Amino acid sequence: EVQLLESGGGLVQPGGSRRVSCAASGFTFSSYAMSWVRQAPGKGLEWVSGISHSGGTTYYTDSVKGRFSISRDNSKNTVYLQMNSLRAGDTAVYYCVIDTSGVGFDYWGQGTLVTVSS
Amino acid sequence: DIQMTQSPSTLSASVGDGITITCRASQNISRWLAWYQVKPGKAPKLLIYRTSNLETGVTSRFGGSGSGTEFTLTISSLQPDDFATYYCQQYNTYSYTFGQGTKLEIK
Repeated sequence: EVQLLESGGGLVQPGGSRRVSCAASGFTFSSYAMSWVRQAPGKGLEWVSGISHSGGTTYYTDSVKGRFSISRDNSKNTVYLQMNSLRAGDTAVYYCVIDTSGVGFDYWGQGTLVTVSS
Repeated sequence: DIQMTQSPSTLSASVGDGITITCRASQNISRWLAWYQVKPGKAPKLLIYRTSNLETGVTSRFGGSGSGTEFTLTISSLQPDDFATYYCQQYNTYSYTFGQGTKLEIK
């Protein structure tokens, strides 16, 4: 059974940093691209960042470029999102998703809430 | 970036009705379009990929069509469990983008 378990959410002050993690199991992690998608309270879905299966290529939405960094450790079946210079607008539930080629986001974690507030 | 525009933003319907949601892309995305269902407090669920392919386990009451820049999601014979928010998403080009969502409400 495919499982994606996010962790690392919590309350962060504006300008602070946070790293969220996603531990994957039930599939060959190193064969799949992964992404992070967020949903701010009462708002829609927003793709944030993606990483190729090897980790060699990364992608970001414009609003987080230069502040967020995605990475993965295929030996630990884990993908990370390092978030720096956090703003109130980054407050959201962050979902880890499997990005299956040609299909889209077919598996989602339950999400981890990051709240940026003083 | 490719912009995705859904209409309507809100849709009121009754159990047993059929409905259609439209999604327009700001440029040609071929058929690289997916639809997701989101319910409060739950992770989104993939319904349809590559415009018209039903994800495993999704009822055939859901259907998708289109190509290029215009796409539709149809739901026939609405059931109580179908009332949720629906999002389209293009995955033709990074950065992947979602539509703003269509909230399907019970009339």
